[in-house]
Amino acid sequence: GVTQSPTHLIKTRGQQVTLRCSSQSGHNTVSWYQQALGQGPQFIFQYYREEENGRGNFPPRFSGLQFPNDSSELNVNALELDDSALYLCASSFSVANYGYTFGSGTRLTVV
Amino acid sequence: GENVEQHPSTLSVQEGDSAVIKCTYSDSASNYFPWYKQELGKRPQLIIDIRSNVGEKKDQRIAVTLNKTAKHFSLHITETQPEDSAVYFCAASNSGNEKLTFGTGTRLTIIP
Repeated sequence: GVTQSPTHLIKTRGQQVTLRCSSQSGHNTVSWYQQALGQGPQFIFQYYREEENGRGNFPPRFSGLQFPNDSSELNVNALELDDSALYLCASSFSVANYGYTFGSGTRLTVV
Repeated sequence: GENVEQHPSTLSVQEGDSAVIKCTYSDSASNYFPWYKQELGKRPQLIIDIRSNVGEKKDQRIAVTLNKTAKHFSLHITETQPEDSAVYFCAASNSGNEKLTFGTGTRLTIIP
C-alpha cells in the first residue's frame, strides 16, 4: 500500500518540514492533499514521472519531489499556524485519478 | 474551477435503516465521481465510484446514482450497520484533470 512518514509531527511557526510518501507498487502518479480538521481533502499538487503535473491553490512555499522509485516528498517552508492539518499522499496508476489509494497521512501541528 | 457541495453534514439513522448522502457539482466537464469513507484517525478509503457513462452502480449494500443533467450524485447505504459509522466524502474529477475536488463530508452515525 501507500506509506507515509512520519505519522505525527510538531513544528514551530517559521520552520521547514519534509513529509515522505512511498507509493503503492506499480503506481507512477502521486498526489498530495491537505485535510484541515473537519474539512475535505484539498489538492496541493500531483507528480507524474518525476514532473509536477498540476497544482492547486497553494503558495510556492509548498513544494514537492518525486523520485525514480516513485517515492515522493512534500516540503513546506516558513510554516504558518494554518498549515496544521493532516497531509495525505495518494497514488494511482495514471494521472486520470481512477482508483486513488491514500496513505494514512501525516498529522502536522504548527505551534 | 470545480465546486462540490455535500449534504447533510451530519446524519443519524437507526441500524437497519437506509442512509442517503447527496452531492452537487458545478463543472459539467467532470466525469468521475468517487465516494470515500474515513473512519476516525484513518485514511480515506474508496468505497464506490461512478463514471459519467452510467447512471447507477451497486456494490452489495452500497449504491451510487448520477444525474448528469442536474449535476448531482448520491450515495445510498441500505441495511446500515454500526460499522458504517464514519465520515463520508464525495468527490468529482475531470479525467483529463489532475485533481479530485472533495465535498465537505457527512458524518454518519448508526444508532444501534
